[in-house]
Amino acid sequence: QVQLQESGPGLVKPSETLSLTCTVSGVSITDYYWNWIRQPPGKGLEWIGNTYYNGRTNNSPSLQSRVIMSLDTSKNQLSLKLSSVTAADTAVYYCARSLSLRSPFDDWGQGTLVVVSS
Amino acid sequence: EIVLTQSPATLSLSPGERATLSCRASQSVTNYLAWYQQKPGQAPRLLIYDASFRATGIPARFSGSGSGTDFSLTISSLEPEDFAVYYCQQRSNWPLTFGGGTKVEI
Repeated sequence: QVQLQESGPGLVKPSETLSLTCTVSGVSITDYYWNWIRQPPGKGLEWIGNTYYNGRTNNSPSLQSRVIMSLDTSKNQLSLKLSSVTAADTAVYYCARSLSLRSPFDDWGQGTLVVVSS
Repeated sequence: EIVLTQSPATLSLSPGERATLSCRASQSVTNYLAWYQQKPGQAPRLLIYDASFRATGIPARFSGSGSGTDFSLTISSLEPEDFAVYYCQQRSNWPLTFGGGTKVEI
């Protein structure tokens, strides 16, 4: 059974870089696509982007210039870096699995809240 | 970017009643539409994919229909655990997008 667990700082200062890790267990990250999705408090869901072990990534145009996603196959982890954050980046950040490039998100982590504040 | 508009924003119903939720796309997404359920403090859960296929373990009271730009999610008889927020999501075009959600409340 696949399990996903996000981790990282819960508080980031404005203009700094948000860094999160998602640890995957139960499956190899090389077998699937991996997505980052966020949800501001009390609001809806926003897809950030996805990545595959071959280095291929797809990002939302609204965030593309600030996002770096990567996979560490040795640790079975994926990571997200979002630069130059503002208060608008305060959200619960989820990692989620897709069977293929644009497949639905069939497994999700529990999410981690990141607050951007000085 | 494809915009998904969900209606109504809130649906007030009682257990045992039928719920019908709508999702309208700004352009055709063929049948590449999914539905998710989210309960407070939890991650979303995939219910329906490709408009009408139930995900693994999803009860038969959940059904999806539609194609092109108009889709619906039906819960035939609401159980207490079904009161939640429901989101649609398209995978037809980049970027992948979600609707704003429909809250089903008691």
